[in-house]
Amino acid sequence: QSALTQPASVSGSPGQSITISCTGTSSDVGGYNYVSWYQQHPGKAPKLIIYAVSNRPSGVSNRFSGSKSGNTASLTISGLQAEDEAEYYCNSYTSSPSSVFGTGTKVTVL
Amino acid sequence: EVQLVESGGGLIHPGGSLRLSCAASGFTLRSYWMHWVRQAPGKGLVWVSRANSGGSDTHYEDSVKGRFTISRDNDKNMLYLQMHSLRAEDTALYYCARGDNYAWDPLDVWGQGTTVTVSS
Repeated sequence: QSALTQPASVSGSPGQSITISCTGTSSDVGGYNYVSWYQQHPGKAPKLIIYAVSNRPSGVSNRFSGSKSGNTASLTISGLQAEDEAEYYCNSYTSSPSSVFGTGTKVTVL
Repeated sequence: EVQLVESGGGLIHPGGSLRLSCAASGFTLRSYWMHWVRQAPGKGLVWVSRANSGGSDTHYEDSVKGRFTISRDNDKNMLYLQMHSLRAEDTALYYCARGDNYAWDPLDVWGQGTTVTVSS
C-alpha cells in the first residue's frame, strides 16, 4: 500500500487560509468517506483534528475543515495562527483492508 | 483520564524479536478497535496493524505481514505487538492508538510511543 500523496510543505501568513491536499486512489480516498487528518507538533503524539472527511472532534477549532473530491481529500486551515505550525497527516481506510497515512505536510506560519 | 502507555521498546539486533505492550486506562479496552502506528526518525506516520475488540479480526501493513502479530488481553486492558525477524527498517517510534467500533474509525487517543532500534 503506497502512502497517500501530500505536498511536503505549505506556508501562510497569520490570518490567511491554507489548504493541504491528500491524493490517493479509488481503493482508498476515492472509495470511502473514511478520511481523517492528524496534527503533530515536534516531539508530540499525533492529534485527531478531522474524521470522516469533514467532521471535527469536540474541542477542535472550527478553523479546521475538511472536504473530498474524487481521489483527493483536502484540509483547510482558516485564520492561520502561530500554534498551527506543525506537521499534518491524512489517513484513509483502504480496500485491502488496511489503513494508510499520507506523506505528511509541514505547515509554516510566516 | 483516558490514557495509553507503551512499553517494551529497546535496542535489538537484526533478526531478533521484541514484544511491545500498551496499557490502557480510563476506558474499557474491550469496546474498541486498537491500532499500532510507527514513525521512523524524521519520517512520517505509517500504519502498522489493528485488531478488533475481541482480537479475532486483525489487519497488517504489507511489510510486517508474517513477522508481526497484534494481540490483546481485554481483561488486563493491554494491547501487544509481537515482532519477529526485525530489520533495520523497523527502527521507529511505535505508537498504540484507539479506534472505535469499526475498523475504519479514526484514532482519537494516542500514547506517547516506545522506541525500537534495530541495529547490529
